[in-house]
Amino acid sequence: DAMVIQNPRYQVTQFGKPVTLSCSQTLNHNVMYWYQQKSSQAPKLLFHYYDKDFNNEADTPDNFQSRRPNTSFCFLDIRSPGLGDAAMYLCATSGLAGETQYFGPGTRLLVL
Amino acid sequence: SQQGEEDPQALSIQEGENATMNCSYKTSINNLQWYRQNSGRGLVHLILIRSNEREKHSGRLRVTLDTSKKSSSLLITASRAADTASYFCATEEDFGNEKLTFGTGTRLTIIP
Repeated sequence: DAMVIQNPRYQVTQFGKPVTLSCSQTLNHNVMYWYQQKSSQAPKLLFHYYDKDFNNEADTPDNFQSRRPNTSFCFLDIRSPGLGDAAMYLCATSGLAGETQYFGPGTRLLVL
Repeated sequence: SQQGEEDPQALSIQEGENATMNCSYKTSINNLQWYRQNSGRGLVHLILIRSNEREKHSGRLRVTLDTSKKSSSLLITASRAADTASYFCATEEDFGNEKLTFGTGTRLTIIP
């Protein structure tokens, strides 16, 4: 089945230690999104790619970076995680920007 | 922030009853979508309604859209325990910025 896969499902890192979260998709969608979701809150968009075009949200901290080496994969790099970065990170894809988004199961990040 | 507001924030009903959730937003939109999120999981797309549509049905779901009031409602009929989840509305603004803005969510609990 076509799907969005996120690895790992749970990630524990130390304060200040770089961490990379990965997302892959078999839907061949043009658009990929990264969201941060904290407990009992709405998903907050960090950035998205339309093909290779990178679009950063104005309030996304510089600590967060992303890479999309090909259509199928997208990575979220957190260069120096702080305690406030502990959250669920959701990857989503869309065939057409602004249309239905297909979400992965998320990666829960814990910062010690 | 263009984030929508959802009402109520939390709702508990008996199994078999109908559940109604409301969403208000601030800008002109191309479409409005509803998503479900089970605890600790990714979001699942439920239904999309376009700005020129007033009502849409999918199984036990009924969505209405009133663009003059900038509001939408999601009705779940004959609720089941498996409907227990958080429900989010999300809007695509009409200037085509390739992204969705999520509402604050309603936490629905179905009591068996």
